[in-house]
Amino acid sequence: AQSVTQLGSHVSVSEGALVLLRCNYSSSVPPYLFWYVQYPNQGLQLLLKYTSAATLVKGINGFEAEFKKSETSFHLTKPSAHMSDAAEYFCAVRGGSGNTGKLIFGQGTTLQVKP
Amino acid sequence: ETGVTQTPRHLVMGMTNKKSLKCEQHLGHNAMYWYKQSAKKPLELMFVYNFKEQTENNSVPSRFSPECPNSSHLFLHLHTLQPEDSALYLCASSPVDADTQYFGPGTRLTVL
Repeated sequence: AQSVTQLGSHVSVSEGALVLLRCNYSSSVPPYLFWYVQYPNQGLQLLLKYTSAATLVKGINGFEAEFKKSETSFHLTKPSAHMSDAAEYFCAVRGGSGNTGKLIFGQGTTLQVKP
Repeated sequence: ETGVTQTPRHLVMGMTNKKSLKCEQHLGHNAMYWYKQSAKKPLELMFVYNFKEQTENNSVPSRFSPECPNSSHLFLHLHTLQPEDSALYLCASSPVDADTQYFGPGTRLTVL
């Protein structure tokens, strides 16, 4: 079985500061891991994904995440926050057997960016 | 129009009403999904359809009835809902066996 834990339901940073959103996973098989972003009144948009290739994954809008098997983590970072980054962020692991595409989501982290 | 669209965007209904949510994807995908997003809870997968066939029902109450007439359209029929069913309902699509799902903007449902 797979599960995801996002540490911190709310994160607040100043504009220009480092963004760090934490995600730990549990998986009985090699995981595929994802970060999605949800802006107000919108659906989820894929930021980046790890699918067993390079452990450092670069995504859209300057975000990146590093897969660390020893720590079962897939934290999301961005060197310098913009006001437009304010949104809710979801970490997800692909669960189910074979290639079912079933995603297991964390509870989400709301990112606030202060001017 | 491209991507995944959902209608209506907002819906208010009484517990005795019957209504339907519609999802349409213009991406040529063959898998479609319904998710429920409630406040303070993780997204919950409700149903999965591959090539119009339901492949997953995640113990969803029978007051929610999905329908997938073709690979581009997905419906969620609602009847005798409860106030706790109020949530954002998200539709997604993907190629079958693909690792990335594409989400619509959701329907905000309020049950009075």
